[in-house]
Amino acid sequence: AQKVTQAQTEISVVEKEDVTLDCVYETRDTTYYLFWYKQPPSGELVFLIRRNSFDEQNEISGRYSWNFQKSTSSFNFTITASQVVDSAVYFCALSEARIQGAQKLVFGQGTRLTINP
Amino acid sequence: NAGVTQTPKFRILKIGQSMTLQCTQDMNHNYMYWYRQDPGMGLKLIYYSVGAGITDKGEVPNGYNVSRSTTEDFPLRLELAAPSQTSVYFCASRREGQPQHFGDGTRLSIL
Repeated sequence: AQKVTQAQTEISVVEKEDVTLDCVYETRDTTYYLFWYKQPPSGELVFLIRRNSFDEQNEISGRYSWNFQKSTSSFNFTITASQVVDSAVYFCALSEARIQGAQKLVFGQGTRLTINP
Repeated sequence: NAGVTQTPKFRILKIGQSMTLQCTQDMNHNYMYWYRQDPGMGLKLIYYSVGAGITDKGEVPNGYNVSRSTTEDFPLRLELAAPSQTSVYFCASRREGQPQHFGDGTRLSIL
């Protein structure tokens, strides 16, 4: 069975601090996708990134970076120089990656991030 | 191109009533999904569809039904609403090889 664990329920930092959100996953699939979604206070879900299990290169997009380590089954998300607009609930998710597979998402419980001015 | 549209945005039901949550997408996506999000929790899959005429159960299907008569529409039906079905419901769709994109959600309260 697939499982995603986000052990940090809530994190609160002061603006401009760096913050890392942890994600640990379990799966028996040999190929899979890992995702991060952002849910701002308005409630919608915003797609941030998808990573394939055979691509362990770290990725950077502006102030956001992701560290994928297959050896520890982790896919951590770092925000550098945090801003108030980064305040949201962040979800890590997992799906199988078979061609023409359903790719049903399994979500972690989310981490509520609050950036204080 | 409106993306994934869910209606209504809010609804209050009485116990035992039934209703249909609507989801439509205009992107010609084959794959569609319904998830529910309980307070303080992540999303859980209720039902999904890999194409018109094909649906299958997710992790939490009890108390719900779906149909997929067209590519665009994937309605979710609640029969005999129960307080445990109070939640925020999200519909999502995707095309082959792409990630899921979500609608804005329907907040449902059952009293």
